[in-house]
Amino acid sequence: AQSVTQLDSQVPVFEEAPVELRCNYSSSVSVYLFWYVQYPNQGLQLLLKYLSGSTLVKGINGFEAEFNKSQTSFHLRKPSVHISDTAEYFCAVTRSGAGSYQLTFGKGTKLSVIP
Amino acid sequence: DAGVTQSPTHLIKTRGQQVTLRCSPKSGHDTVSWYQQALGQGPQFIFQYYEEEERQRGNFPDRFSGHQFPNYSSELNVNALLLGDSALYLCASSFSGTNQPQHFGDGTRLSIL
Repeated sequence: AQSVTQLDSQVPVFEEAPVELRCNYSSSVSVYLFWYVQYPNQGLQLLLKYLSGSTLVKGINGFEAEFNKSQTSFHLRKPSVHISDTAEYFCAVTRSGAGSYQLTFGKGTKLSVIP
Repeated sequence: DAGVTQSPTHLIKTRGQQVTLRCSPKSGHDTVSWYQQALGQGPQFIFQYYEEEERQRGNFPDRFSGHQFPNYSSELNVNALLLGDSALYLCASSFSGTNQPQHFGDGTRLSIL
């Protein structure tokens, strides 16, 4: 079984400042990792994914994340945030391998961008 | 290319009733997963359907059941509704046999009175 811990439930940050949203995972098998964003009254939109290869993954809207196997972390970063980045962000993990397996999500981090 | 569509968007029921939620997967996808997202929480996996059979199941009681049709669309049924079943129900689709991620619909907001 896998588990995900998002270390911050809320992160306020000023517009144009950098931000890091932290995610740690636990698993006894190899995993794939994802970050999803959820805007109010909407479903989840995929920001980026780590399947294999380079540990630095670039996603949409200027976000990137780094997979660190030794620290079992997959932190999300953006060098300069915009008001439109205000949303809730979810880190998710699934077992690796061909096929589609259940996602295990963290509890989410609410990012608030302050003008 | 339509994404994952869910219906209805909102639903109000009373305790003890039964409800059916519907999901049409993204074109080309053959696997449908259902998640429950309670207020202030991350989504929790309910079950996954592939080839019209339940392939995986999370820690949910038998009151939660589902179905997948030959066109890959899916239904989630919940019987004997409890107040605690109030949540956003999300459907996600994917193509089995690949490493591609799941795509989510906008969900059905279920309120139990």
